[in-house]
Amino acid sequence: DTAVSQTPKYLVTQMGNDKSIKCEQNLGHDTMYWYKQDSKKFLKIMFSYNNKELIINETVPNRFSPKSPDKAHLNLHINSLELGDSAVYFCASSRGGANEKLFFGSGTQLSVL
Amino acid sequence: GENVEQHPSTLSVQEGDSAVIKCTYSDSASNYFPWYKQELGKGPQLIIDIRSNVGEKKDQRIAVTLNKTAKHFSLHITETQPEDSAVYFCAASKGGGTYKYIFGTGTRLKVLA
Repeated sequence: DTAVSQTPKYLVTQMGNDKSIKCEQNLGHDTMYWYKQDSKKFLKIMFSYNNKELIINETVPNRFSPKSPDKAHLNLHINSLELGDSAVYFCASSRGGANEKLFFGSGTQLSVL
Repeated sequence: GENVEQHPSTLSVQEGDSAVIKCTYSDSASNYFPWYKQELGKGPQLIIDIRSNVGEKKDQRIAVTLNKTAKHFSLHITETQPEDSAVYFCAASKGGGTYKYIFGTGTRLKVLA
């Protein structure tokens, strides 16, 4: 069973469209994250949720809106997609508390044309 | 601001040789230093971590050392094998209720058979 699963794996879309990426973890973790990895492989945190509450929002444009319906799910909705949004987006989870091991999903490669 | 520098960006070694990747962090409050391995098309996976109360940690062929005074930590891989080829990321976190990991810029390791 996949511990952290995200869908879709690939997403190709036109500028201006709205799209969502879904993430689910079956590890019983309390904390979930979204990371963005650009073409140079830089990994940057975007959001973190702990027990469905937003705890990190790293100056991400308002076009990005995370939603955590329950502890096991953290979805990412992106409005009005721009060329610069093209990247690989990783969902991750960890146990509650700081300095815990991150478990990453396999990533969603978003290409905005 | 918080920053983690990682060197080198690429590293090629012959199979059987050792590889060393170095990171420097800026925030002296950082107290947890994990290393992640990212294989092609996959999410990063934790391979070893070290906390600030320890100077060195070893797990089979991999080891991590930490110099808190200099704010340096390093990953050492001995007897490298082709399957060690991947991108490696260091990270730093300061815990204390934060869930934020600052990642280094990554090192692409190629092990030549």
